[in-house]
Amino acid sequence: KAGVTQTPRYLIKTRGQQVTLSCSPISGHRSVSWYQQTPGQGLQFLFEYFSETQRNKGNFPGRFSGRQFSNSRSEMNVSTLELGDSALYLCASRISGGLGGELFFGEGSRLTVL
Amino acid sequence: ELKVEQNPLFLSMQEGKNYTIYCNYSTTSDRLYWYRQDPGKSLESLFVLLSNGAVKQEGRLMASLDTKARLSTLHITAAVHDLSATYFCAVDEGAQKLVFGQGTRLTINP
Repeated sequence: KAGVTQTPRYLIKTRGQQVTLSCSPISGHRSVSWYQQTPGQGLQFLFEYFSETQRNKGNFPGRFSGRQFSNSRSEMNVSTLELGDSALYLCASRISGGLGGELFFGEGSRLTVL
Repeated sequence: ELKVEQNPLFLSMQEGKNYTIYCNYSTTSDRLYWYRQDPGKSLESLFVLLSNGAVKQEGRLMASLDTKARLSTLHITAAVHDLSATYFCAVDEGAQKLVFGQGTRLTINP
């Protein structure tokens, strides 16, 4: 059974550009979450989607956005990139929208902003 | 606002020894997760603890949850080099959001 797949795995952008990251959840999983990992701030919640609806959003500026498609695949977008956006972006999926389900993480997309 | 604190943040130990990583959190929750992360890699799920008093074991690792004390522990028994990694606890804040601890970087020396 395939795990959570994220693309691209590595990318380099310059300040002011925008970036789109993609996540394919485990087959049958309908909830997709995104997290940002940096050495300084650790792991921080970005947002969560279930059945194409954003149900929760973390404390990030509006430059960070996301969406989920009918096949549960998700994308996140960061516009007007800043140096501080350099991070590992992790996508995670769980089978249902209920509480307590195990969260499975992808390998991440490592973004470097120059 | 939920805060999750792990200690120690760095741990260097000898093979064969036992040690415990602590995870304290600030508000009520009865759902806690432990993850392992190797350098440059993603998070690997180790344990899901869903109730007070939950105890789970896998190999040399054992995790427990005390919701009244707002404390979870990850106990390592007879450590081996392969367990060297960074370990994170994460508390389910509700609304599908996990709040992570800072991580404990564990180094096991031969």
